[in-house]
Amino acid sequence: EDQVTQSPEALRLQEGESSSLNCSYTVSGLRGLFWYRQDPGKGPEFLFTLYSAGEEKEKERLKATLTKKESFLHITAPKPEDSATYLCAVRGETSGSRLTFGEGTQLTVNP
Amino acid sequence: GAGVSQSPRYKVAKRGQDVALRCDPISGHVSLFWYQQALGQGPEFLTYFQNEAQLDKSGLPSDRFFAERPEGSVSTLKIQRTQQEDSAVYLCASTRLVVLTDTQYFGPGTRLTVL
Repeated sequence: EDQVTQSPEALRLQEGESSSLNCSYTVSGLRGLFWYRQDPGKGPEFLFTLYSAGEEKEKERLKATLTKKESFLHITAPKPEDSATYLCAVRGETSGSRLTFGEGTQLTVNP
Repeated sequence: GAGVSQSPRYKVAKRGQDVALRCDPISGHVSLFWYQQALGQGPEFLTYFQNEAQLDKSGLPSDRFFAERPEGSVSTLKIQRTQQEDSAVYLCASTRLVVLTDTQYFGPGTRLTVL
């Protein structure tokens, strides 16, 4: 059974204070690790897909990295508009069609 | 349309009532997924359609939950005899391709509250 654990549950940063969110996973044959952002009252918004260890992707102030056991979402010089819940999800070779999500990290960036 | 749309956005039901939740996927998207998201939790998979065929319904929590996509576009999730534990946000997602690694695009969700 695929498992995803995200840490920390909540993170408060000052504007400009860089940090990282962690996603630890257990999956049989990774077929994709996905990062989403979710704002209150909205559906998850796609950020990145990573497929293999060593892969990195960047978008504005966000950078996602992947190892065989975990993924990090690095946030550089965050702004208040980066405040959201960040969700990590995996699909493995035995997962069929389903994504397995973690519980998310709630990020608050104070001005 | 520009994105996945869902209706209603909010639904309040009395325990024991039946409800129907609608999902309009992005035009031309082949695959459609339903997820259930409890407060403070990540989404949990319910079911998956490829066109009109329901290929995976292993996440449906009980036989009170039923989903359909008769013409391969709009989908409806029906919950019969609602219970308080059914209170959650129900999310719909669609993908352009059949390939299961394709990006899932989510709608805004329907927040169901069962009193």
